[in-house]
Amino acid sequence: EAEVAQSPRYKITEKSQAVAFWCDPISGHATLYWYRQILGQGPELLVQFQDESVVDDSQLPKDRFSAERLKGVDSTLKIQPAELGDSAMYLCASSLGRGENIQYFGAGTRLSVL
Amino acid sequence: QKEVEQNSGPLSVPEGAIASLNCTYSDRGSQSFFWYRQYSGKSPELIMFIYSNGDKEDGRFTAQLNKASQYVSLLIRDSQPSDSATYLCAVKDSNYQLIWGAGTKLIIKP
Repeated sequence: EAEVAQSPRYKITEKSQAVAFWCDPISGHATLYWYRQILGQGPELLVQFQDESVVDDSQLPKDRFSAERLKGVDSTLKIQPAELGDSAMYLCASSLGRGENIQYFGAGTRLSVL
Repeated sequence: QKEVEQNSGPLSVPEGAIASLNCTYSDRGSQSFFWYRQYSGKSPELIMFIYSNGDKEDGRFTAQLNKASQYVSLLIRDSQPSDSATYLCAVKDSNYQLIWGAGTKLIIKP
C-alpha cells in the first residue's frame, strides 16, 4: 500500500541548532502539506505545495522556518535556529490535488528541543 | 476566523456501546467533512469522509452531516478498546483549506 514516508521519526536537538525533516509523498500526489501539531491540539498547516510551488505559507514562521520541494516530489522542512517552543510533532501529508482530495499522513517526526 | 469546534473530552464509553462524537463548524460554504483517528504518538488516520447531508455508513462507523445546523458527527457502534484514541474533525472550507478541530479523546472501558 502506498504511503507517505517521513524521516527521521524522532529528533532531539538543543536550542539554536538547525534541524531538517524530509518527506516523500505518495507517488503521483501533486499536493504536499507540512503540519505542526502540539499535544492536545489539531494539526496546524505550516506550508502547502502544489507541485514545486508554494500555495500557502501564511502560518510559516519565515524568520526561522523554510521549506522546499525543488522537483515537485519530495520535500524538506528546515528550522534554524530551533527554539524550545518548536517542540512538537511535524506531520507531512499529501493528496492528489488541492480540491476535494483526501489528505494522507506520514508517520510524523517528533521533535524535542532541549 | 473559520473554526471547527469539538469537545475535548475525555468521552468514556463502555465496551460494546455506541460512541457519539460531535463537531460544529463556522464556514457555511464548507463542502467536505472528514473524521481522522489519532492514537497517542501516532499520525492521523482517515476514518470517514462525507460530502452530502445525511448519513454515511462504513462498517461500525457512521458519519452524519447536517449542513443547515453546521454539524457533523461520528457514531461508532459496538465500541472496542482499540477504538480508544483522539478523533479529529476536519472541514474543507470554500477555499479548499482543511480546518482542524482540536480533537475529542475517546476512552472505551472494558
